[in-house]
Amino acid sequence: QVQLVQSGAEVKKSGASVKVSCKASGYSFTNYGISWVRQAPGQGLEWLGWIIPYTGDTDYARNLQGRVTVTTDTSTTTAYMELRSLRSDDTAVYFCARVQRSRMGYYMDVWGKGTTVTVSS
Amino acid sequence: DIQVTQSPSSLSASVGDRVTVTCRASENIDSHLNWYQQKSGEAPKLLIYAASTLQSGVPSRFSGSESGTDFTLTISSLEFEDFASYYCQQTYSPPWMFGQGTKVDI
Repeated sequence: QVQLVQSGAEVKKSGASVKVSCKASGYSFTNYGISWVRQAPGQGLEWLGWIIPYTGDTDYARNLQGRVTVTTDTSTTTAYMELRSLRSDDTAVYFCARVQRSRMGYYMDVWGKGTTVTVSS
Repeated sequence: DIQVTQSPSSLSASVGDRVTVTCRASENIDSHLNWYQQKSGEAPKLLIYAASTLQSGVPSRFSGSESGTDFTLTISSLEFEDFASYYCQQTYSPPWMFGQGTKVDI
């Protein structure tokens, strides 16, 4: 079945970097995009960025540009999200999601279970 | 950036109630609006895409509509498992902003 399996929880110090992985299976990896979304404790959803694995094209949230990079390895059907210069307000659950294209835009139809990233000072 | 303003931030309802949640886009997004449901401790789940298309497997009590830059999620008759948070998201142009969320509780 279609699934996205994310890497395990991380605890990082302020100023460090974290790289979260998202292993896709059950579908043709290069036919869909991968998006990253995070949710701070008790807060709403925040879109971080997305990538088209076939082309490598990316878009990012403006407030994170320069600190976040999304990549894919098509040989292992795995997507990665790296966040640098971590701050305490980066503490959140990070989700990856498959991006499907419709006639009226894109949507995220399959989600990973999330990876908790905790940033401590 | 295109902003989406969601309301209300929370609402209390009972089983059987009709519930509506609204999102307003800051400019035309041409039906590129999706709705997600999230239960506590879980990943979001896609309910509706392209403003009004029901995702496969989602109960028909959920529906979406649009009028200009205003979008509405309607639950026709609330069931116990519908108590959750709901988010809209525009995917007309990046960044794909989410609304602030609506928590539906008893």
